[in-house]
Amino acid sequence: KAGVTQTPRYLIKTRGQQVTLSCSPISGHRSVSWYQQTPGQGLQFLFEYFSETQRNKGNFPGRFSGRQFSNSRSEMNVSTLELGDSALYLCASSLGHNSPLHFGNGTRLTVT
Amino acid sequence: DAKTTQPNSMESNEEEPVHLPCNHSTISGTDYIHWYRQLPSQGPEYVIHGLTSNVNNRMASLAIAEDRKSSTLILHRATLRDAAVYYCILRDSNSGYALNFGKGTSLLVTP
Repeated sequence: KAGVTQTPRYLIKTRGQQVTLSCSPISGHRSVSWYQQTPGQGLQFLFEYFSETQRNKGNFPGRFSGRQFSNSRSEMNVSTLELGDSALYLCASSLGHNSPLHFGNGTRLTVT
Repeated sequence: DAKTTQPNSMESNEEEPVHLPCNHSTISGTDYIHWYRQLPSQGPEYVIHGLTSNVNNRMASLAIAEDRKSSTLILHRATLRDAAVYYCILRDSNSGYALNFGKGTSLLVTP
């Protein structure tokens, strides 16, 4: 069974640009959640989608958005990039409530 | 989500047991205790989870205090491959699916 796939693995963008990251969950998993990991703040929850609906949202500005498609694949978008957005962005999928999360290896975003 | 407190780092010798503590004094009755670990350059990996009773799986054991205000992840025989950051987190089964990780415990295993 294929794991969670995130693309691209690495990305370099300039301040003010926007970026879209992609996540393909494990087959059959309908829940997809996104996290930002930085050395200073650790792993922080961004949002979670289930069956194309955003179910939970973390404490991030509106520049961070996401969506989920009917095949459960998910994308997250960050607009008007800031230097502080440089981070590892992790996607995780699961079967649903109380099921373990399965993480991808992340997309490393560098904003210059 | 309720908060958890873990030591920043711990060290263990190879092939010895490791007990990783976690305090969660504000845990609610519907919070599950989850443990994940993250190896360098990888996403976090699920280790184990439980609600009230102690749990065992092929990777580790989870010991939950009777009042549920603390728990301990037990690696029975540490190997060099167990060197990772271990996260203890709580998830409220009623409120939805938001998991907030702290900074975890960095485990160093020495030969």
